[in-house]
Amino acid sequence: GAGVSQSPRYKVAKRGQDVALRCDPISGHVSLFWYQQALGQGPEFLTYFQNEAQLDKSGLPSDRFFAERPEGSVSTLKIQRTQQEDSAVYLCASSLTRYLTDTQYFGPGTRLTVL
Amino acid sequence: AQSVAQPEDQVNVAEGNPLTVKCTYSVSGNPYLFWYVQYPNRGLQFLLKYITGDNLVKGSYGFEAEFNKSQTSFHLKKPSALVSDSALYFCAVRDNQADSNYQLIWGAGTKLIIKP
Repeated sequence: GAGVSQSPRYKVAKRGQDVALRCDPISGHVSLFWYQQALGQGPEFLTYFQNEAQLDKSGLPSDRFFAERPEGSVSTLKIQRTQQEDSAVYLCASSLTRYLTDTQYFGPGTRLTVL
Repeated sequence: AQSVAQPEDQVNVAEGNPLTVKCTYSVSGNPYLFWYVQYPNRGLQFLLKYITGDNLVKGSYGFEAEFNKSQTSFHLKKPSALVSDSALYFCAVRDNQADSNYQLIWGAGTKLIIKP
């Protein structure tokens, strides 16, 4: 079956522009996660959705970052007034239920470069 | 606070030899432990996980990992390495006592290079 998909795969933005990154989770998956992965580092948690509810947004680095999942399926991560330090790969993952033991399945990521 | 350490930035192994990629962790309660692999320009792929039960966990592509509670370790192993195993490997942990803690904490990754 289809895995997690993300679009665009690559995004170049000028400093100060707004960007929107899309995640299509595996159909029927309850949980959805966003991570930020800097070059040569492990992923860093950004936010978590259980269906349409955003239950944890403690990892969002600033109020310029906003995520939504209005119908409990597709999610969008929006970054306003992008800065160079926002350059990273943004990963989306989904898991079947709300349980912490579930395996997370990852999309290919969106590589954001801010010039 | 939860943390994961992967003490080796890079591991070099000759093809056909056994390989070990090390991971140690720190949590308040009991850990849920995961290994993922990342190939260039591709997403993270799940290899295996430890939740409870048998300390030796078998996963995809012939990999296995052993949970050692006293040493707080979860090292990834494979009896005979293949060149195609060359990739970046990540260990991750979640604390099972933190009911509202949805965060998976990741190590910095270990680059595994298998030489023919």
